[in-house]
Amino acid sequence: NAGVMQNPRHLVRRRGQEARLRCSPMKGHSHVYWYRQLPEEGLKFMVYLQKENIIDESGMPKERFSAEFPKEGPSILRIQQVVRGDSAAYFCASSPDAGGYTFGSGTRLTVV
Amino acid sequence: GQQLNQSPQSMFIQEGEDVSMNCTSSSIFNTWLWYKQDPGEGPVLLIALYKAGELTSNGRLTAQFGITRKDSFLNISASIPSDVGIYFCAGAASGNTPLVFGKGTRLSVIA
Repeated sequence: NAGVMQNPRHLVRRRGQEARLRCSPMKGHSHVYWYRQLPEEGLKFMVYLQKENIIDESGMPKERFSAEFPKEGPSILRIQQVVRGDSAAYFCASSPDAGGYTFGSGTRLTVV
Repeated sequence: GQQLNQSPQSMFIQEGEDVSMNCTSSSIFNTWLWYKQDPGEGPVLLIALYKAGELTSNGRLTAQFGITRKDSFLNISASIPSDVGIYFCAGAASGNTPLVFGKGTRLSVIA
């Protein structure tokens, strides 16, 4: 039973480009969460999704960031027109209906 | 928004010593979790606490869920070099609500 799979592990983008981060939850998990971690900081919640629905996006920046979790396929966190301040580690977690969070290994985004 | 205050920020200890770290919150959580993060990896769950007053052990690790539901501590006994890493507390209001994380305790173990 594979864990939470995130790809790519490392992503380098020039300022103004788009970044797409993917997360495949554990089998049987229908809840997906995205977190951002800056160096020397804890994880900050961004968005919580269930299949085809955004449940809570209170941690998402109002512009340039979007997330989806389609009926088929992985959850996608999309950052448009990236800026240097978007450089961070982005973690995805998934959980089943009963709760309990499993984290992926993260995507490290570097904006140059 | 909700915040967790985690202390200490960092610790340097001798191998074999016991370690204690804690988290406090201004609001109530119904779930407390403790994670360890190694460099370049995601957080890995160490201990989950679901009931106020609960004391749970996992090998050399022991954690407690405070009676007020606003605090938790983690103890590591007889530390070893592989305990090195960043330890995070996290709280959730209920089953699937998003986690709120502390800023972490960076543990260094001197052999």
